[in-house]
Amino acid sequence: DIQMTQSPSTLSASVGDRVTITCRASQTIGNWLAWYQQKPGKAPKLLIYKASNLASGVPSRFSGSGSGTEFTLTVSSLQPDDFASYYCQEFNTDSRTFGQGTKVEIK
Amino acid sequence: QVQLVQSGGEVKKPGASVKVSCKASGYTFTNYGIAWVRQAPGRGLEWMGYISAYNGNTHYAQTLQGRLTMTTDASTGTAYMELRSLRSDDTAIYYCARDSPFSDYWGQGTLVTVSS
Repeated sequence: DIQMTQSPSTLSASVGDRVTITCRASQTIGNWLAWYQQKPGKAPKLLIYKASNLASGVPSRFSGSGSGTEFTLTVSSLQPDDFASYYCQEFNTDSRTFGQGTKVEIK
Repeated sequence: QVQLVQSGGEVKKPGASVKVSCKASGYTFTNYGIAWVRQAPGRGLEWMGYISAYNGNTHYAQTLQGRLTMTTDASTGTAYMELRSLRSDDTAIYYCARDSPFSDYWGQGTLVTVSS
């Protein structure tokens, strides 16, 4: 199975900060990558699909980039609603592996 | 609007089985698959597998092979996930999601607690 490694595991930031989360795949996955946001006690929410496509209703301050084995999720100006956990997921294979997650905390 | 509504929480003893349902609405059920994802307390997301609602083809995570069965009922637009031989480390919230193949719509989650 493909391994997906996110960094950092935890990120402390302030409102208004530009934040970047990285996801690395153990083998090339083209652009078959999604990003999700999860808040405590809630189901995950799709943010980005196919590496850089914004899901419906997602604010434009979120963006995704990358291809092959290295991907990034960027929040251009962190808002109070963005403090949450974020997960990448590959869907190049049938195993659809998730990264281990990145928790974005208030600094 | 697309909705996935899951069955209620369950408490099971070790060695028992659990079956969670996921009723879909707001789209053509057989045009998409259903994925199942679980999350143990304080842990990350674990992809369990998916099933094609079109032809019933499944793919399960290797770690769950032999204990996991996913099925669908197209007549009611419902997907089911059954996990057998439950252990304490199967305690988790279980989510269904529409498989597009990314998961664009999610159920509300079902807490399954395994405890003697």
